[in-house]
Amino acid sequence: DAGITQSPRYKITETGRQVTLMCHQTWSHSYMFWYRQDLGHGLRLIYYSAAADITDKGEVPDGYVVSRSKTENFPLTLESATRSQTSVYFCASKVIAGGAQYFGPGTRLLVL
Amino acid sequence: GESVGLHLPTLSVQEGDNSIINCAYSNSASDYFIWYKQESGKGPQFIIDIRSNMDKRQGQRVTVLLNKTVKHLSLQIAATQPGDSAVYFCAEIQGKVNSGGSNYKLTFGKGTLLTVNP
Repeated sequence: DAGITQSPRYKITETGRQVTLMCHQTWSHSYMFWYRQDLGHGLRLIYYSAAADITDKGEVPDGYVVSRSKTENFPLTLESATRSQTSVYFCASKVIAGGAQYFGPGTRLLVL
Repeated sequence: GESVGLHLPTLSVQEGDNSIINCAYSNSASDYFIWYKQESGKGPQFIIDIRSNMDKRQGQRVTVLLNKTVKHLSLQIAATQPGDSAVYFCAEIQGKVNSGGSNYKLTFGKGTLLTVNP
């Protein structure tokens, strides 16, 4: 019962580099979400997806790109990482008929 | 309660005692509420949910109470154990619960840190 997994769990990169965070879910949930969690800001929505090939911006999308070619995968790419993108990133998913989202274990990203 | 700046509200209890964690939500139109538990280094974990047409819901060792009049939500944990130590978030859904797109918004509270002393 893998549920929702994220990789890598920890990542250190440098300013200007491209970084991709992976999210995979085995539940066939339609909706998937990316959040970042920072002290003082709580969880903020970056992007979400209603289904394969359908994505939309959340509250803080600048500097991020997503794609969803398959229902089970929802990668998040930082095209040119900045120090302000140092954070913990969580992927989540939900079914159409349910309200609650279910979260992955997170990726801790440090941008130097 | 609400946090100020970087400081989370904290609650410290003895093992075996009951815990009550409170949350004030913002939108009187919210239809659905969720409590999440987040342990250090892990993602938020779903605990229990409640719809706005209910005022109480019980799970295993947990009870959620909803007071729509004062926009207040509480989570009661019975016989608190050391493994219950975590940050607890309430969350409200604004818009369509059975969605996930632009008509749906999940808003998290700031969280309360629960510490259980053995």
